[in-house]
Amino acid sequence: DTGVSQDPRHKITKRGQNVTFRCDPISEHNRLYWYRQTLGQGPEFLTYFQNEAQLEKSRLLSDRFSAERPKGSFSTLEIQRTEQGDSAMYLCASSLADGKTEAFFGQGTRLTVV
Amino acid sequence: GDSVTQMEGPVTLSEEAFLTINCTYTATGYPSLFWYVQYPGEGLQLLLKATKADDKGSNKGFEATYRKETTSFHLEKGSVQVSDSAVYFCALYYSGGYQKVTFGTGTKLQVIP
Repeated sequence: DTGVSQDPRHKITKRGQNVTFRCDPISEHNRLYWYRQTLGQGPEFLTYFQNEAQLEKSRLLSDRFSAERPKGSFSTLEIQRTEQGDSAMYLCASSLADGKTEAFFGQGTRLTVV
Repeated sequence: GDSVTQMEGPVTLSEEAFLTINCTYTATGYPSLFWYVQYPGEGLQLLLKATKADDKGSNKGFEATYRKETTSFHLEKGSVQVSDSAVYFCALYYSGGYQKVTFGTGTKLQVIP
C-alpha cells in the first residue's frame, strides 16, 4: 500500500450533471476525510468517517453533496446537479484514530464544471 | 473557532537565501501544529510537525518551533533551493476528538536560480 489514492485525477463536467469521486485510503487507517480546495485557498474540511460511520459534516456540504464509506474501506463523494462554484480540487485523507497519527493526503481530484 | 493565519505570498527568493514563512494560530485547546507542502499538480505532503509547546519539527532542512506564548509556528530554512518552490500550508490538529485538520490559506514560494 503506497498511500491514499483518488480517482479520477481530473473531471470535466457540464453544469447540472452528477459526478462521483472515489478515495482509497491507506489500508489500516480507520479515519477518512474529505476536503475541498479552491484556487489560492487552503483545504476546507467537508466531512469525515470513522470506519463506515460519517461522524461530522461541514456546513460547506450542501444537500447536493453526499459521501459514503459503506464497508469502512474506500469512500465515494457524489455531487448532484453540479454548479460552476463546485469547481475545485477535492482532497481525501486518511489516518488512524489513535490520537497520534497525522492525516495522509491523496493527490486529489480536480473538478471543472463548465 | 480555531484558525490559522499565514503570511501572504507569493514569496520570491534567490537560491540559497534564508526563508521564513510566518504562521500564527488561534485555538481553544492544545493542538498539534503542522506544515504541509504542495508541489504543482500534486496533493499535500506532510513536511514537519510539532505536538507540544517548545517542540521543534524539522525535515529536509526546514524547521519550525511550536511557540505557545506567541501562538506561532514559523517555518524556516537556511538555504532554499529551486526544488523547494511550492505552496506551504500551516495547519493545526487536535490529537483528541475528531482530529480535523484546520489549514491556513497557504503561502506560495518561488525560488529562482
